[in-house]
Amino acid sequence: AQSVAQPEDQVNVAEGNPLTVKCTYSVSGNPYLFWYVQYPNRGLQFLLKYITGDNLVKGSYGFEAEFNKSQTSFHLKKPSALVSDSALYFCAVRETDKLIFGTGTRLQVFP
Amino acid sequence: DVKVTQSSRYLVKRTGEKVFLECVQDMDHENMFWYRQDPGLGLRLIYFSYDVKMKEKGDIPEGYSVSREKKERFSLILESASTNQTSMYLCASSFSRESNQPQHFGDGTRLSIL
Repeated sequence: AQSVAQPEDQVNVAEGNPLTVKCTYSVSGNPYLFWYVQYPNRGLQFLLKYITGDNLVKGSYGFEAEFNKSQTSFHLKKPSALVSDSALYFCAVRETDKLIFGTGTRLQVFP
Repeated sequence: DVKVTQSSRYLVKRTGEKVFLECVQDMDHENMFWYRQDPGLGLRLIYFSYDVKMKEKGDIPEGYSVSREKKERFSLILESASTNQTSMYLCASSFSRESNQPQHFGDGTRLSIL
């Protein structure tokens, strides 16, 4: 079965600093990977996806993610964090027609 | 823009009640999903549907059922609500089975069972 792991429950970063939210995956075959963000009292919003092609994927709100096959990772990154980036972030992997989600990482950006 | 609308943002019900959560999408998507979200557990799939009148069990279907009489509407039913079903419920839709298009989510229903 496919799975993803988000090893950090919370990530704290100062505004203006680069941020990384980690995700590792376990799949059989080619992985289809996604990142979503959830702001307070809202549903999940799609940020970006990796299906095939370039290992660096660019998404919404200045976020990008790096697919690393040898390390089975798909970390979410942003060069300069904003306070408004504070939210809950979910990594997900496609399994047949479903998505399997990680447990989420809360990102806190301090002014 | 795809819009997925869940009928209630907050709902309080009593143990033993039959509870209906409604979800409507406006983009003619084939696939619809119901998840529950609990702290530390992420999102867990309850049921999903590929087409009208079709349904498939997800990872935690016990105590729930679903109905999809029209393509745009997917209802989650708690047959006899229990306190351990207190949770955030999220509905999502996506284009089709063969597509790698992302799922689009509603804003969720926070359900409390007293």
